[in-house]
Amino acid sequence: DAGVIQSPRHEVTEMGQEVTLRCKPISGHNSLFWYRQTMMRGLELLIYFNNNVPIDDSGMPEDRFSAKMPNASFSTLKIQPSEPRDSAVYFCASSPALATNTGELFFGEGSRLTVL
Amino acid sequence: QKEVEQDPGPLSVPEGAIVSLNCTYSNSAFQYFMWYRQYSRKGPELLMYTYSSGNKEDGRFTAQVDKSSKYISLFIRDSQPSDSATYLCAILYNTDKLIFGTGTRLQVFP
Repeated sequence: DAGVIQSPRHEVTEMGQEVTLRCKPISGHNSLFWYRQTMMRGLELLIYFNNNVPIDDSGMPEDRFSAKMPNASFSTLKIQPSEPRDSAVYFCASSPALATNTGELFFGEGSRLTVL
Repeated sequence: QKEVEQDPGPLSVPEGAIVSLNCTYSNSAFQYFMWYRQYSRKGPELLMYTYSSGNKEDGRFTAQVDKSSKYISLFIRDSQPSDSATYLCAILYNTDKLIFGTGTRLQVFP
């Protein structure tokens, strides 16, 4: 299996621009998570989906952030408009069915976002 | 108080040393505890998983949970330069959310 695939790996953009991050989870995994990692705050859960349905988006910082999962093999995280404080590494992770979840998430390699 | 607290380090040790990494947590109801390892510019990967109190050993790694003091530890014996990474403790919350510590950066020098 190719693992969780994220794109782009690096994105540099200017304040006010729209940013779209993409994720392809591992085939057969029911749950998908978006995390943000910064030095100051560590890994923060933004939102997660189960069977393509958003379950908890309480970690989404504000209305500028939105996430979708139109099907089992694709998800996007969009920031519009972007701000310098959004600069971070954004990780997508997937896991098998929640009922048997032992806490193992399979992470992608992350999308490093820099907003100037 | 944050749900999981972890000293960010960095921690620098010579090869062969015993390393102790620690986290504290706030909610006594937590039952599932994990340690993830993250190499530079990579995503975290699960290293060890424990349920409730006690020790779990896997090769040179031992995970320990002390529920009475709400303290979790990871010990690395005979540390190697290849162990140099950031180690994140994590707690499974409500069976569907992982809460991570901020991570401790470890450097093992030859």
